[in-house]
Amino acid sequence: EDQVTQSPEALRLQEGESSSLNCSYTVSGLRGLFWYRQDPGKGPEFLFTLYSAGEEKEKERLKATLTKKESFLHITAPKPEDSATYLCAVQTTDSWGKFQFGAGTQVVVTP
Amino acid sequence: DTAVSQTPKYLVTQMGNDKSIKCEQNLGHDTMYWYKQDSKKFLKIMFSYNNKELIINETVPNRFSPKSPDKAHLNLHINSLELGDSAVYFCASSPTTSGNTDTQYFGPGTRLTVL
Repeated sequence: EDQVTQSPEALRLQEGESSSLNCSYTVSGLRGLFWYRQDPGKGPEFLFTLYSAGEEKEKERLKATLTKKESFLHITAPKPEDSATYLCAVQTTDSWGKFQFGAGTQVVVTP
Repeated sequence: DTAVSQTPKYLVTQMGNDKSIKCEQNLGHDTMYWYKQDSKKFLKIMFSYNNKELIINETVPNRFSPKSPDKAHLNLHINSLELGDSAVYFCASSPTTSGNTDTQYFGPGTRLTVL
């Protein structure tokens, strides 16, 4: 059975303290792995798509990487506005359009 | 110029009532989705339509019925509401490229509370 596991569940960082979030997956065949950011009371906001092992994507203080078993979202020198829940989702090659989400990592960045 | 919009944002109703949530996207996408996010913030897919055709139908009580009048709209009708239906419901849309769906873009959510 396909599984997506995110860790840690919650992360508290000081402003400027870099860290990484993990998304490990067990799927039959990966078509794509997606990272989203969700602020309280809002819908998930798309960040990155990764398709193959070794791929990396960057946006401001965020960098996403992908291996054959897991993905990392690195947050470099975070600011309080980076506080949010970060969700990863996988799409498999045999599930047309279906995303399976992890439970998310709640990140709080304090000044 | 909201990309994916949902109405209403909040819905409070009594058990046993029937209610609908509407979703519209102006991105030109041809695939739309309904997700349920429970109190633990876990997002789970319910339905998906591609060009008005149902393509994903997860294990959802048949009290839930999606309807897609055209590819820019996907509505969710819920009959005989139960306490356990309380959640946030998200609509999403995605383009279809090379025969596969791609990145999904989400609406702001509808918080449903059943009393």
